[in-house]
Amino acid sequence: DVKVTQSSRYLVKRTGEKVFLECVQDMDHENMFWYRQDPGLGLRLIYFSYDVKMKEKGDIPEGYSVSREKKERFSLILESASTNQTSMYLCASRGGGSTGELFFGEGSRLTVL
Amino acid sequence: DQQVKQNSPSLSVQEGRISILNCDYTNSMFDYFLWYKKYPAEGPTFLISISSIKDKNEDGRFTVFLNKSAKHLSLHIVPSQPGDSAVYFCAAKEVNFGNEKLTFGTGTRLTIIP
Repeated sequence: DVKVTQSSRYLVKRTGEKVFLECVQDMDHENMFWYRQDPGLGLRLIYFSYDVKMKEKGDIPEGYSVSREKKERFSLILESASTNQTSMYLCASRGGGSTGELFFGEGSRLTVL
Repeated sequence: DQQVKQNSPSLSVQEGRISILNCDYTNSMFDYFLWYKKYPAEGPTFLISISSIKDKNEDGRFTVFLNKSAKHLSLHIVPSQPGDSAVYFCAAKEVNFGNEKLTFGTGTRLTIIP
């Protein structure tokens, strides 16, 4: 089974803090994604990566950056957290050539005070 | 601009009856559609998918129907079971080569009443 592991299930941070969300997948997938889920807004794509050191902006990249130094690891960075970044963050991966099925991690619930 | 829309935020269905979840899209470049199921405090899990060259795909109790002319798809669950209570997201993928992203709808919370 594909396993996508997110490092923290729950985080509480203060406004202005730098936040790192880590994601690791064990299936040698080329593609990795960061989404956020908010009530009434569904899942919105923040960034994705189709290869090591490659990244593409999603629909809502503002206030975020990413890092993919190794194939299995995709990190989401909030340089200066703000209260509107309080959300559920979901990491996902998918193999190259796939028709679309994403494998998600369990999510990281971030609260910014 | 919401390209994938689920207009019903919630739906309640009696156990054993049929659940029908609907999804509309606006982008004619979408060629592959998926449904995901999400329980609280868990990540979404893949449920069923359909290619734009088909109009129906069935997997056990789950059937997805696609009406390309209406840009509409629906998920049917028969018979509905209490374990089906979850949030359901439809998602769509564009045909463009190299475009790997999925666009998700806003979700429908399904509650199965015992």
